[in-house]
Amino acid sequence: GAVVSQHPSWVICKSGTSVKIECRSLDFQATTMFWYRQFPKQSLMLMATSNEGSKATYEQGVEKDKFLINHASLTLSTLTVTSAHPEDSSFYICSAGNRGLYNEQFFGPGTRLTVL
Amino acid sequence: GQQVMQIPQYQHVQEGEDFTTYCNSSTTLSNIQWYKQRPGGHPVFLIQLVKSGEVKKQKRLTFQFGEAKKNSSLHITATQTTDVGTYFCADEYGNKLVFGAGTILRVKS
Repeated sequence: GAVVSQHPSWVICKSGTSVKIECRSLDFQATTMFWYRQFPKQSLMLMATSNEGSKATYEQGVEKDKFLINHASLTLSTLTVTSAHPEDSSFYICSAGNRGLYNEQFFGPGTRLTVL
Repeated sequence: GQQVMQIPQYQHVQEGEDFTTYCNSSTTLSNIQWYKQRPGGHPVFLIQLVKSGEVKKQKRLTFQFGEAKKNSSLHITATQTTDVGTYFCADEYGNKLVFGAGTILRVKS
């Protein structure tokens, strides 16, 4: 299957700072990228859908100004957690898809964010 | 919105025993995808089911889609320690996936 990378794999930051997470599709063009949040031993909660060149579509309850998403190219999407607080600590996973090529989504390895 | 219920939440089996996880929805599911997430890892696609009553097999794994497209199951025959992980079903709703809660499988050797 296709490969999706995510950077950084883990980050620890102070409360009030912003953190940027990158998601890259390495060997295919991703027309759509998705950002998920996962708490320990829980399911993946979709935060937003990102289409290249357009604004992200956020799920209900997800603050757009808090979680900034940019999908600047067909291989890169970024998620910025602004003014992070301890309750933002979580595992953030991106996935990438191209409906013209694949049925499934390909997931990145995830980013573990810890806010002190 | 669309909701997918998945049971059991957790199952601990002896190596060699069978394992089944079930997904259910009160509404008709579009397409069901199954993913496996190893401990500390990320979800990896296993299979997609599209047709009513569809059955697909991958070695020891058997996937079924209900006739009414409101339920799906994943059955593992003779589990091995390598089967350990969390198995998620996901309904393809529009262009996004709605995940079930997942079933954590532990295998005792």
